[in-house]
Amino acid sequence: GENVEQHPSTLSVQEGDSAVIKCTYSDSASNYFPWYKQELGKRPQLIIDIRSNVGEKKDQRIAVTLNKTAKHFSLHITETQPEDSAVYFCAASRGSQGNLIFGKGTKLSVKP
Amino acid sequence: GAGVSQSPRYKVAKRGQDVALRCDPISGHVSLFWYQQALGQGPEFLTYFQNEAQLDKSGLPSDRFFAERPEGSVSTLKIQRTQQEDSAVYLCASMTGRRSETQYFGPGTRLLVL
Repeated sequence: GENVEQHPSTLSVQEGDSAVIKCTYSDSASNYFPWYKQELGKRPQLIIDIRSNVGEKKDQRIAVTLNKTAKHFSLHITETQPEDSAVYFCAASRGSQGNLIFGKGTKLSVKP
Repeated sequence: GAGVSQSPRYKVAKRGQDVALRCDPISGHVSLFWYQQALGQGPEFLTYFQNEAQLDKSGLPSDRFFAERPEGSVSTLKIQRTQQEDSAVYLCASMTGRRSETQYFGPGTRLLVL
């Protein structure tokens, strides 16, 4: 079955710096890769997603890149702000018929 | 519109008790998923419904776990004879099921088994 590895487990940056979180997956049939942000005690919130027919997607300060050959995808957050502090999860699935397989999460701390 | 809702938000059970957790998906969403999130971990898949049909229950950890969605809307996750290792947050997610893979999560039910 699918296995998703996520690194680093914790990341501390200064406000205004960039943050990068990386994930690898094992199932070549996976074709949908969302990223969720989860604040303490809250529900996971989708922040960006990418499908396997696209190599990069950007939404304001957030971007995701996908390398299908290497089976890895990354989240890039630029100009980080204290409110970006949260746990970020990457996930992979086989699309609308498949459940999400999550990474173990990255705790991002943005210091003012 | 209203998002996914879950109840209760918190549940404390004594070991051996049965519990029932409810999920109200977004109206009209065909697909519904249950996940278990242990402290400090990512959500782990439990089971999946498309309308009232349970298409995948491979993630249910034991036969003490049972889920149903009899009318294709509200779903209930039941855990019989709860054990301490069942303590976790139980998340429900729904998806339109029509050319969209986006799963919308509920706030979860935090279960503590003493």
